[in-house]
Amino acid sequence: SAVISQKPSRDICQRGTSLTIQCQVDSQVTMMFWYRQQPGQSLTLIATANQGSEATYESGFVIDKFPISRPNLTFSTLTVSNMSPEDSSIYLCSVLAGANTGELFFGEGSRLTVL
Amino acid sequence: QKEVEQDPGPLSVPEGAIVSLNCTYSNSAFQYFMWYRQYSRKGPELLMYTYSSGNKEDGRFTAQVDKSSKYISLFIRDSQPSDSATYLCAMGESKGFQKLVFGTGTRLLVSP
Repeated sequence: SAVISQKPSRDICQRGTSLTIQCQVDSQVTMMFWYRQQPGQSLTLIATANQGSEATYESGFVIDKFPISRPNLTFSTLTVSNMSPEDSSIYLCSVLAGANTGELFFGEGSRLTVL
Repeated sequence: QKEVEQDPGPLSVPEGAIVSLNCTYSNSAFQYFMWYRQYSRKGPELLMYTYSSGNKEDGRFTAQVDKSSKYISLFIRDSQPSDSATYLCAMGESKGFQKLVFGTGTRLLVSP
């Protein structure tokens, strides 16, 4: 199983600011995924990050709001830009357990509170 | 109607009880079904992974899929306080990466 480390684990941010979340995996992976988990809501995929190409965003999520970097096969960042209280959520990084499986490993999440 | 429905709970049971957690879904193309367990302030961890209909058992946990009813279940036998967590169902249409659809999770509380 992959070990996924996320930083920060939690933060309190002011409206209008931006925060970058880091995700480090202990093995090389082709695809990394960023999810959002809002209170009382299901896990929602924000985007898929492939090394060497632009991230693929799901409906309702745009690059200007959630820019993603994927500089190598073990690291990715998600930035939440121009935050508002509606962005208060847990943001989770995840990777596939294997090339031909839909099983996902998740990081412990980054809990953001926007005031 | 949501694609996946899951009762948020909380479901409170005494230690040793048999727990039944359930999800219903509307997309008949789902073939892969998963249960994740999420402890407070932690990321989800995969518990069970099943394909198509049928049962799968792993220790105290049994996953059951009834595709004809579009209904999946997770049973926990001899529940322990350490089982207290939120349980998320997830499902997908095809093997390999796909966009999984998650339920909202059921919070389970097992009291000693």
